[in-house]
Amino acid sequence: AQSVTQLDSQVPVFEEAPVELRCNYSSSVSVYLFWYVQYPNQGLQLLLKYLSGSTLVKGINGFEAEFNKSQTSFHLRKPSVHISDTAEYFCAVSEGGGSYIPTFGRGTSLIVHP
Amino acid sequence: GAVVSQHPSRVICKSGTSVKIECRSLDFQATTMFWYRQFPKQSLMLMATSNEGSKATYEQGVEKDKFLINHASLTLSTLTVTSAHPEDSSFYICSARQGPSKEGAFFGQGTRLTVV
Repeated sequence: AQSVTQLDSQVPVFEEAPVELRCNYSSSVSVYLFWYVQYPNQGLQLLLKYLSGSTLVKGINGFEAEFNKSQTSFHLRKPSVHISDTAEYFCAVSEGGGSYIPTFGRGTSLIVHP
Repeated sequence: GAVVSQHPSRVICKSGTSVKIECRSLDFQATTMFWYRQFPKQSLMLMATSNEGSKATYEQGVEKDKFLINHASLTLSTLTVTSAHPEDSSFYICSARQGPSKEGAFFGQGTRLTVV
């Protein structure tokens, strides 16, 4: 069975600083990986996804993530954050060959300070 | 991207009453819809998976008689919380997709339910 671990529940950072949100997964088969952002009292918006091909994936709002199969990681990065990036970020994984129902991590709260 | 609309965004109801939440796919046919519940500062908990025209599949521990799910058309699924209690207060989110796909699903805006 698949599982997702987001190691940090909260990440405080100053505006214009770089940030990395960590995500590790476990699965016995091929995986598809996603990062979503959730603003207060809203649903989830897809930031980026890894399905196949290049391990470096670029998404919206300047975010990118790198799929590392040997380390079973899919960390999310942004070189320079804005106040507006303050939100909850969820990593998710689904497995190939099945129903593709995703499993979500517990979420990381990114707090950008001025 | 595809649009999933969830309504209402907020609802307050009295204990013992029922409340219905709608989830619509606006620009694609959603053969599968998912309903999640999210507690404050926590992740999404999958409640049930519904396929158009068939009964929903509920996750372990979710009361199917309390959380009624209907997926009567390819663009609409509803979640009805019956005989609501204050402990049912939560944020409910739906997502929809067009068949099993590695591409993932699209999410609605969520519904904040408060039972008083």
